[in-house]
Amino acid sequence: DAGITQSPRHKVTETGTPVTLRCHQTENHRYMYWYRQDPGHGLRLIHYSYGVKDTDKGEVSDGYSVSRSKTEDFLLTLESATSSQTSVYFCAIREVSSYEQYFGPGTRLTVT
Amino acid sequence: SQKIEQNSEALNIQEGKTATLTCNYTNYSPAYLQWYRQDPGRGPVFLLLIRENEKEKRKERLKVTFDTTLKQSLFHITASQPADSATYLCALDPVSGGYNKLIFGAGTRLAVHP
Repeated sequence: DAGITQSPRHKVTETGTPVTLRCHQTENHRYMYWYRQDPGHGLRLIHYSYGVKDTDKGEVSDGYSVSRSKTEDFLLTLESATSSQTSVYFCAIREVSSYEQYFGPGTRLTVT
Repeated sequence: SQKIEQNSEALNIQEGKTATLTCNYTNYSPAYLQWYRQDPGRGPVFLLLIRENEKEKRKERLKVTFDTTLKQSLFHITASQPADSATYLCALDPVSGGYNKLIFGAGTRLAVHP
């Protein structure tokens, strides 16, 4: 998985609780992305980062926030989880000179 | 509305045959299009990128075509093998502004039978 880890890999949480997912890379790539994947929808971009402290919204950013204080870590936070945020979350990285994205193994989040 | 469509039904083929998967898009003018493979429980893996000025791209048993007039890309796997069974995703960047904010199709599941 190209030097990308995600933690936790599985999480069950209750509606209304805060949740933070972590993406860690060892490739020193500048670009990092968070996607969610749901049946019938494919991958949808939540937020992305183009450098330390530089982040922007994607297609489905409502209810999510991100932070990137170090090149290697990109955190996705659900401030108050809802059942509609039950999904599989993937992190991806990309180097500046290429359009290829490398994906992590994913985090399966269930909000009850 | 803007969207990317891939065959939602699974494609079942016999080993040794050529598998052809379709990706259609509307209201985009992408500079390039990408194909990824995804196995169950794993993240997508990049396979090929084709640019708008390229009609065809090949990599081993894989071939991708890109018709910007039809707004369609075809993905071919020749001499298919059971190990090729997976879900294949197409993706494009609608803005092409350097951030590579990809829009993905929902994917087509391919099953290659011995």
